[in-house]
Amino acid sequence: DVKVTQSSRYLVKRTGEKVFLECVQDMDHENMFWYRQDPGLGLRLIYFSYDVKMKEKGDIPEGYSVSREKKERFSLILESASTNQTSMYLCASSRQITDTQYFGPGTRLTVL
Amino acid sequence: AQSVTQLDSHVSVSEGTPVLLRCNYSSSYSPSLFWYVQHPNKGLQLLLKYTSAATLVKGINGFEAEFKKSETSFHLTKPSAHMSDAAEYFCVVIRMDSSYKLIFGSGTRLLVRP
Repeated sequence: DVKVTQSSRYLVKRTGEKVFLECVQDMDHENMFWYRQDPGLGLRLIYFSYDVKMKEKGDIPEGYSVSREKKERFSLILESASTNQTSMYLCASSRQITDTQYFGPGTRLTVL
Repeated sequence: AQSVTQLDSHVSVSEGTPVLLRCNYSSSYSPSLFWYVQHPNKGLQLLLKYTSAATLVKGINGFEAEFKKSETSFHLTKPSAHMSDAAEYFCVVIRMDSSYKLIFGSGTRLLVRP
């Protein structure tokens, strides 16, 4: 059974803190994705990666960076968290870039 | 430009009646189209996908969708709603030509009344 795990279900941070969100997949997928989900806006793509050490900006990369040092792990970094980054963050992976994506359970981040 | 429009933010049906969730897309190229479902406090799960094979696509849990190029639509249907279908549904478009583009619709929340 395919599995995408995220390091935390809930996270509370303060403005200005550096935040790391971790995602791990066990399906040997080439592609990994980070989204944020906000009510009424659906999911918006922040960054994606099609290979180790490779990354591409999505629609809303501002204020975020990513790291993919190993194939199975894709990290989302908020260098200096702000209140407008309070959201649900979802990680996904896929074998082909246009193929079905498998999602993790999400991390609900609150920035105070 | 490419976009995905889910025409209804909320749909309410009675158990046992048909479900119709509407999705229109705009794309200059042949896209890949998906429907995902998100149950409360659960992750997103693929319902079905269209990738230029048969225009009528069957998915899990009795759902299906028809790709209509002339109408640029990919509406999701089910003949008979079940209480367990209550969830949020997302239409997704992926295009891959000179660059990769993925767009999620804003979602439709389905309520099923007993």
